[in-house]
Amino acid sequence: GAGVSQSPRYKVAKRGQDVALRCDPISGHVSLFWYQQALGQGPEFLTYFQNEAQLDKSGLPSDRFFAERPEGSVSTLKIQRTQQEDSAVYLCASSSGSRYQETQYFGPGTRLLVL
Amino acid sequence: KNEVEQSPQNLTAQEGEFITINCSYSVGISALHWLQQHPGGGIVSLFMLSSGKKKHGRLIATINIQEKHSSLHITASHPRDSAVYICAAPNYGGSQGNLIFGKGTKLSVKP
Repeated sequence: GAGVSQSPRYKVAKRGQDVALRCDPISGHVSLFWYQQALGQGPEFLTYFQNEAQLDKSGLPSDRFFAERPEGSVSTLKIQRTQQEDSAVYLCASSSGSRYQETQYFGPGTRLLVL
Repeated sequence: KNEVEQSPQNLTAQEGEFITINCSYSVGISALHWLQQHPGGGIVSLFMLSSGKKKHGRLIATINIQEKHSSLHITASHPRDSAVYICAAPNYGGSQGNLIFGKGTKLSVKP
């Protein structure tokens, strides 16, 4: 079956530009997570959805970051007025159960470069 | 908040060697995750364990809840095992909160 997919795979943005990153989780998965991974570091949590509800957004680094999952399936992470420090790989993961103690299935990531 | 530390940061081995990667955390947890990240970024979940030991092929993961420590072992290592191995634990201990990830151990297995 299809895994988690993300698009675009690569994105180059000029500083100040808005970007939108898409995640298609595994069909039927309740939980969806967004992570940010800087070069040479482990992933860092950004936000968590259970169905369409955003239950945890404690990891979003600023109010320029916004995520939504309006119908409880596809999710979009939007970054407004991108800055160079936003350059990273953005990973999406989904799991079949609720909360965090389930096996998470990761997408390939979107590599964002802000010039 | 939990703090997750991994060692070593980098590891080079010859094909066939036995590999050990260590992970320690500061706040007691209900389960710990081990993941594998290949060049190009794809992350695969290897294990989620809450006690004792789990084995999958040549991979073995152990956890000591009292000592807040876990190890990932690879027996008869092969060049295709070359990847970054990451452990992750719940941020607030128990089963609460988002996952906190270690910085990863970059393993390179030479033929």
